Amino acid sequence: DTAVSQTPKYLVTQMGNDKSIKCEQNLGHDTMYWYKQDSKKFLKIMFSYNNKELIINETVPNRFSPKSPDKAHLNLHINSLELGDSAVYFCASSQGWGNTYYGYTFGSGTRLTVV
Amino acid sequence: QKEVEQNSGPLSVPEGAIASLNCTYSDRGSQSFFWYRQYSGKSPELIMFIYSNGDKEDGRFTAQLNKASQYVSLLIRDSQPSDSATYLCAGNGGSQGNLIFGKGTKLSVKP
Repeated sequence: DTAVSQTPKYLVTQMGNDKSIKCEQNLGHDTMYWYKQDSKKFLKIMFSYNNKELIINETVPNRFSPKSPDKAHLNLHINSLELGDSAVYFCASSQGWGNTYYGYTFGSGTRLTVV
Repeated sequence: QKEVEQNSGPLSVPEGAIASLNCTYSDRGSQSFFWYRQYSGKSPELIMFIYSNGDKEDGRFTAQLNKASQYVSLLIRDSQPSDSATYLCAGNGGSQGNLIFGKGTKLSVKP
């Protein structure tokens, strides 16, 4: 019974295409996140939603657009994909936001390769 | 810019030894710290969290926090080859209290 699930697990696409990644959590958490992990394993936050409200929008190209239809789902749409977008994208969730004491639960990741 | 710094390694220890992983952070307002283990090709998995000065033990793992020195560490006793992974340190120093991660330390435990 997967806690945080992401689809697809692998995504290979050509430059210029538009793609989406979906995330769902069944932990009852109210906050969800998108992190990007580069080839050197550095995890950097992109977006965060709390109860469907966008609370973190880091400096990412506006080709990236998150959407949270409800507190259990967070999707990421990427327009006009570029080679530099190749990375692993992780969805995560937590209960509450701000000074959380309990950390995040991560999904299995989506490995995006742009060719 | 708030940062969490880790030595990228690789850190190599023999089986049965103590592995010591270190992390420093720049934001004095950070209150909670986390250690995640990430196997190659897998997602980060939370193994320890600490928010009080001192030591916190859980099995073979001990997390240590020194807020005055802005220093966090993770000790792994009786290291096993299955402990070989990248260990990510994180603190809740982000603008909204979100976690900021270090770049990870790759640990290799040799049989």
